[in-house]
Amino acid sequence: DAGVTQSPTHLIKTRGQQVTLRCSPKSGHDTVSWYQQALGQGPQFIFQYYEEEERQRGNFPDRFSGHQFPNYSSELNVNALLLGDSALYLCASSPDVRGSTDTQYFGPGTRLTVL
Amino acid sequence: RKEVEQDPGPFNVPEGATVAFNCTYSNSASQSFFWYRQDCRKEPKLLMSVYSSGNEDGRFTAQLNRASQYISLLIRDSKLSDSATYLCVVGGSSNTGKLIFGQGTTLQVKP
Repeated sequence: DAGVTQSPTHLIKTRGQQVTLRCSPKSGHDTVSWYQQALGQGPQFIFQYYEEEERQRGNFPDRFSGHQFPNYSSELNVNALLLGDSALYLCASSPDVRGSTDTQYFGPGTRLTVL
Repeated sequence: RKEVEQDPGPFNVPEGATVAFNCTYSNSASQSFFWYRQDCRKEPKLLMSVYSSGNEDGRFTAQLNRASQYISLLIRDSKLSDSATYLCVVGGSSNTGKLIFGQGTTLQVKP
């Protein structure tokens, strides 16, 4: 049973560029959440997708956008990259149990470095 | 005030020691609570859910005090392999699906 997978593992970009990160949820999970983890901090919620729609959003600018596909996989897009966007980007999946906060399982993350 | 607050440590303890981590949260409407463990440069992994009645999993015991908005984790008989960062996590109110993480507490178990 495959867990949550993310690609790429590492990425180096320059300021102003755009980046797309990908996530495949654990088998049987239909809800995908994205988090940003800066060095020395806990993960911060970016947004959550369910039924191909953004269900909830954290305190992140519009430069951060996402998408969920019919097979439940998801993408995170970040435009106009800033140095401060350098972080570990984590995808988490969970089954949707009537919208409850069920346990979320995390992928290995994508480490983004912006130069 | 942060939504979830933890002492970042580090906690340096000898093998076999008992260590306790504490966490406070600000939203009294929060409905779910967890402890996650994160090894260096790896993803967070669920250690245990936390219930008002308290729950135990081997050497680990978690407790929730809703009145004080306080969560704890007790690790008994520490092993070298327990060295990691422990993240206190609170689910949003109204079953929103959002997880709110504390900064994490770093534990270093030494021989």
